[in-house]
Amino acid sequence: AAGVIQSPRHLIKEKRETATLKCYPIPRHDTVYWYQQGPGQDPQFLISFYEKMQSDKGSIPDRFSAQQFSDYHSELNMSSLELGDSALYFCASRERGGGNEQFFGPGTRLTVL
Amino acid sequence: DAKTTQPPSMDCAEGRAANLPCNHSTISGNEYVYWYRQIHSQGPQYIIHGLKNNETNEMASLIITEDRKSSTLILPHATLRDTAVYYCIAGMSGAGSYQLTFGKGTKLSVIP
Repeated sequence: AAGVIQSPRHLIKEKRETATLKCYPIPRHDTVYWYQQGPGQDPQFLISFYEKMQSDKGSIPDRFSAQQFSDYHSELNMSSLELGDSALYFCASRERGGGNEQFFGPGTRLTVL
Repeated sequence: DAKTTQPPSMDCAEGRAANLPCNHSTISGNEYVYWYRQIHSQGPQYIIHGLKNNETNEMASLIITEDRKSSTLILPHATLRDTAVYYCIAGMSGAGSYQLTFGKGTKLSVIP
């Protein structure tokens, strides 16, 4: 069965650089969520999109932005990277008309040096 | 979303049933109980959810008390691959997007 695809899987950046993470949801899933998981922490919600519109916003820094495109894939753009941004970033998707079962991708591990 | 409380860790012998408790005494009438698990650094995995009736699927069973203030996730025959952090989350369902609020979860260790 198709799963959520995230790219890249690993990313190393320097402080103050920018990064773009991509998420390709499961086919027929119209809602995308982004979560951040710092070392030893639990996943924290960043932002979500429903039918290509931003729907909810969590603890996402102003340096980050995201969007969902016409094919439902989503990109998380991160600028002025800080050491504290080093984390696992998970994307999850939810089926159109479904319950709240979210299906997570394998994550992108971002390391900021 | 209602706050949930889980024990920080539990051990279970391989082949035995693992019973993971969760308290959600402030859950509202239209909030579901969701269970996810995260195997080391992998993306969280949906397990099961329920509103007030007990539920069973190929992975687990969910027992919700009649007053809905607590629930138990049951893995009937735990294997070493079930070692993970298990999260109990109270949340909405239906149209719209509802983010998951992860708490501390229970670290389940399945012992050979």
